[in-house]
Amino acid sequence: NAGVMQNPRHLVRRRGQEARLRCSPMKGHSHVYWYRQLPEEGLKFMVYLQKENIIDESGMPKERFSAEFPKEGPSILRIQQVVRGDSAAYFCASSPLGAGTDTQYFGPGTRLTVL
Amino acid sequence: SQKIEQNSEALNIQEGKTATLTCNYTNYSPAYLQWYRQDPGRGPVFLLLIRENEKEKRKERLKVTFDTTLKQSLFHITASQPADSATYLCALAGNNRKLIWGLGTSLAVNP
Repeated sequence: NAGVMQNPRHLVRRRGQEARLRCSPMKGHSHVYWYRQLPEEGLKFMVYLQKENIIDESGMPKERFSAEFPKEGPSILRIQQVVRGDSAAYFCASSPLGAGTDTQYFGPGTRLTVL
Repeated sequence: SQKIEQNSEALNIQEGKTATLTCNYTNYSPAYLQWYRQDPGRGPVFLLLIRENEKEKRKERLKVTFDTTLKQSLFHITASQPADSATYLCALAGNNRKLIWGLGTSLAVNP
């Protein structure tokens, strides 16, 4: 059973470009979470999605950031018009449908560098 | 607001000793608490979950305690090894399936 997959692992963008980060949850998992982590800082929750629904986006900036988890295909975190401050590691995690707990299984992360 | 605090200073111990990491929380009564390990450049890995009605949980060399009166969890690694060196994160169950994360404590086990 493959774990959570994220791609690309490293992404370099120039200021003003768009960044698209992809996340394929573990098989059988229908809950996806996106986090951002800066050096020497903790995990910051961004958004929680189920298939075709955004459940909680309270941690995501209202401008330039968007997320989706379509019926088919991976979850996408999209950052438009990137700025240097967007440089960070972005982690995706998934958890199973109907689980009584929120144990989350993380991907390896995408490291975004904005030049 | 809900808050989690972990030892901010790195913990350095000698191989073979027991490492003890602390997680304190305020303004919340979580149904359960989790511990994760994170290595540099990688995503966190789930280690243990303990529920509010459990005092202690063990898994191999790991032991977690949960004191809901003190609002504290302790994470112990017995017979520590250099391979245990990592950052350990505490997370508690929030609302709407959202975990609330501590900043983590860095552990270094010296051979």
